[in-house]
Amino acid sequence: KQEVTQIPAALSVPEGENLVLNCSFTDSAIYNLQWFRQDPGKGLTSLLLIQSSQREQTSGRLNASLDKSSGRSTLYIAASQPGDSATYLCAVSSDTGNQFYFGTGTSLTVIP
Amino acid sequence: SQTIHQWPATLVQPVGSPLSLECTVEGTSNPNLYWYRQAAGRGLQLLFYSVGIGQISSEVPQNLSASRPQDRQFILSSKKLLLSDSGFYLCAWSVIGDPYEQYFGPGTRLTVT
Repeated sequence: KQEVTQIPAALSVPEGENLVLNCSFTDSAIYNLQWFRQDPGKGLTSLLLIQSSQREQTSGRLNASLDKSSGRSTLYIAASQPGDSATYLCAVSSDTGNQFYFGTGTSLTVIP
Repeated sequence: SQTIHQWPATLVQPVGSPLSLECTVEGTSNPNLYWYRQAAGRGLQLLFYSVGIGQISSEVPQNLSASRPQDRQFILSSKKLLLSDSGFYLCAWSVIGDPYEQYFGPGTRLTVT
């Protein structure tokens, strides 16, 4: 069964720093990988989706990369802001695209 | 545009009572639908997913069941709640087909007392 790991579990950085969140998965037979943001007590907001044939996706200050063969993805956040404070989750889909497996998330705190 | 609704937003129920959580999606047809549970300090656990009306797949054995009576309606139920059923329940949908991107509802906070 697919297992997804996110490191670190928690991260605290001063405002303005660039940072990298890591996600690894055990089965490389995935359809896509999706990064989400979750604010306390709220649902998940989709940030970026990378299809298995892609290497990276960018949206504003966010850049996500995917190395499917090694089972790794990173989420790069440039010039972090206090509003970026949240839990970031990565999820990989099965090769059929119908099932999704989540990591336990990285809790990010950006200090003003 | 597509919208996903969940209700209720919060629920406090005694052990042994029944449960019914509802999720509806607007603005799309024939979506894949999902129920997840997020327990305190733990990741999201996929409970059920459905690729069509009446088609339900269960990921883990548990005290819960799911039904899909209409194309865009997904219901999570229990006949008798356990303390361990407490958690944050999230409904999600994805388009069937490329790229299978998932979208989540606002969630229901369930506390079993």
